[in-house]
Amino acid sequence: RKEVEQDPGPFNVPEGATVAFNCTYSNSASQSFFWYRQDCRKEPKLLMSVYSSGNEDGRFTAQLNRASQYISLLIRDSKLSDSATYLCVGTPSGGYNKLIFGAGTRLAVHP
Amino acid sequence: ETGVTQSPTHLIKTRGQQVTLRCSSQSGHNTVSWYQQALGQGPQFIFQYYREEENGRGNFPPRFSGLQFPNYSSELNVNALELDDSALYLCASSLGRGENEKLFFGSGTQLSVL
Repeated sequence: RKEVEQDPGPFNVPEGATVAFNCTYSNSASQSFFWYRQDCRKEPKLLMSVYSSGNEDGRFTAQLNRASQYISLLIRDSKLSDSATYLCVGTPSGGYNKLIFGAGTRLAVHP
Repeated sequence: ETGVTQSPTHLIKTRGQQVTLRCSSQSGHNTVSWYQQALGQGPQFIFQYYREEENGRGNFPPRFSGLQFPNYSSELNVNALELDDSALYLCASSLGRGENEKLFFGSGTQLSVL
């Protein structure tokens, strides 16, 4: 089983739609969690951290469920500029900042 | 801009050759991590260097090796290149190696092995 698993998509949605991405993780990737955004063949950029209490940043909401080992990202009111690949990321316990990436979910927002 | 620079941006090699990729870390950062991203996959951790010492290694064969210099810049060397080594190689620097230290990524080196 992969340490971090995501639905690869692609998700094709119209502007203004709400879209949700899901991710599951294994015990070896269970310390901290993030969502990264990656534009085509460019470097990944941190979108937001994910906390058990849930956190929101504008149109983006992230949620963590440790009991189910499940992470989600909700994007409301999608914009054309949201088109990208969204990477779910965990870190191992063990005291150093190694990132464990999922394979990514592609989002295409169309007019 | 993260202040992390990688060179070259693109590279074409043939099977069996050797390649060296370079990374300059952000000013003040003493930790450099390398990741390999194959097409359609997420980045995979290769190894990390902290103050010139290897601080962790992913599931990559010994022909992937690295180095960190006193100025904390780093090199990734790959010997005996294989077709499957074709990927985007990402370097990330951080202030330290602690689990809460944020990584700052460079824009990567695209390696094609023919």
